[in-house]
Amino acid sequence: DVKVTQSSRYLVKRTGEKVFLECVQDMDHENMFWYRQDPGLGLRLIYFSYDVKMKEKGDIPEGYSVSREKKERFSLILESASTNQTSMYLCASKDRGSTDTQYFGPGTRLTVL
Amino acid sequence: GQQVMQIPQYQHVQEGEDFTTYCNSSTTLSNIQWYKQRPGGHPVFLIQLVKSGEVKKQKRLTFQFGEAKKNSSLHITATQTTDVGTYFCAGFMFSGGYNKLIFGAGTRLAVHP
Repeated sequence: DVKVTQSSRYLVKRTGEKVFLECVQDMDHENMFWYRQDPGLGLRLIYFSYDVKMKEKGDIPEGYSVSREKKERFSLILESASTNQTSMYLCASKDRGSTDTQYFGPGTRLTVL
Repeated sequence: GQQVMQIPQYQHVQEGEDFTTYCNSSTTLSNIQWYKQRPGGHPVFLIQLVKSGEVKKQKRLTFQFGEAKKNSSLHITATQTTDVGTYFCAGFMFSGGYNKLIFGAGTRLAVHP
């Protein structure tokens, strides 16, 4: 079974802090994704990566950056957290095939005070 | 903006009643996927539809893909309390130079015993 893990289930940070969210997958998947989930808005793509050291902006990249130094790890960075970044953050990975299913991690609920 | 629209946003039914959620895209999709997210959980892949007019069944769940590959539906017959959760459709489309999975906002299903 594919396993996608995220570093924290719950996180509380203060406005202006730098926040790192880590995601690790164990299935040697090329593609990894970061989403945020908010009520009524579904899942919105922040950034994705198709290979090591490669990153592409999703639909809502503002205020975020990412890092993919190793194939299994995809990090989401909030350079200066703001209250409107309070959300559930979901990481996902999938194999190279363009139509393969995505496997999600358990999510990190981030609260920015 | 949202390219995959999903309705209704929320529905509550009595146990035993049927339930349907609908998904519509502004553009033709190469395929559509459906995910289920239990309360407190993360999205889990249910099924993928690829062919125009395709219909697939999983026990009490029936999935349809429209002839024009722009809409889809999920129908649950005789709902049970175990069906509670949010159902997301996700359309695979070419956007911003890449093939992306675009999620609908989800339909939250509540089942009253």
